Amino acid sequence: GAGVSQSPRYKVTKRGQDVALRCDPISGHVSLYWYRQALGQGPEFLTYFNYEAQQDKSGLPNDRFSAERPEGSISTLTIQRTEQRDSAMYRCASSPSRLPYTEAFFGQGTRLTVV
Amino acid sequence: AQSVSQHNHHVILSEAASLELGCNYSYGGTVNLFWYVQYPGQHLQLLLKYFSGDPLVKGIKGFEAEFIKSKFSFNLRKPSVQWSDTAEYFCAVSDNFGNEKLTFGTGTRLTIIP
Repeated sequence: GAGVSQSPRYKVTKRGQDVALRCDPISGHVSLYWYRQALGQGPEFLTYFNYEAQQDKSGLPNDRFSAERPEGSISTLTIQRTEQRDSAMYRCASSPSRLPYTEAFFGQGTRLTVV
Repeated sequence: AQSVSQHNHHVILSEAASLELGCNYSYGGTVNLFWYVQYPGQHLQLLLKYFSGDPLVKGIKGFEAEFIKSKFSFNLRKPSVQWSDTAEYFCAVSDNFGNEKLTFGTGTRLTIIP
């Protein structure tokens, strides 16, 4: 399809395991964003990229969280040594150029459950 | 730091009723404002946005929002709702200094009763 694709859609992992969440943006989109949404809350910014450069990672909660976009297309958000508090919906978005002059298109999200 | 408040957590309306969802933000500088909608089982999608010009913004599906700078508000309106408007609605803000991150409110769940 032509939209933002995230995989897996659902991930259940045991506490202490590492997880990698993948985002495949719309082809040609320059900017890519990661958000986290806890139950009953709005999406919370984690990090974003322009091309392969990570422009802002101020929203990453701690050093267990990291993200990369090595070729300026697909991005991976990695959480090391997962904890129960990491359980949330992780959302990826991409845009053809810089906000706000364009629109951020969101994927379906990855629902992460840490047990 | 920016913050966004959506005071209505869950709104229930009958079809054809008028809708207004509140959104207030706190930020002293120039802002860009957005409303996103998430229909059941779907992804977040943009309803409308404001970054300059006419403070009354029209979006998709008959929605509109008015930016009132003096009240730090960007309320979403629709004169006559339909059952298909049942969804969760998020207000978001970004600043105008090259910072591309969106700050979202907690969302308002809208249920339309046929």
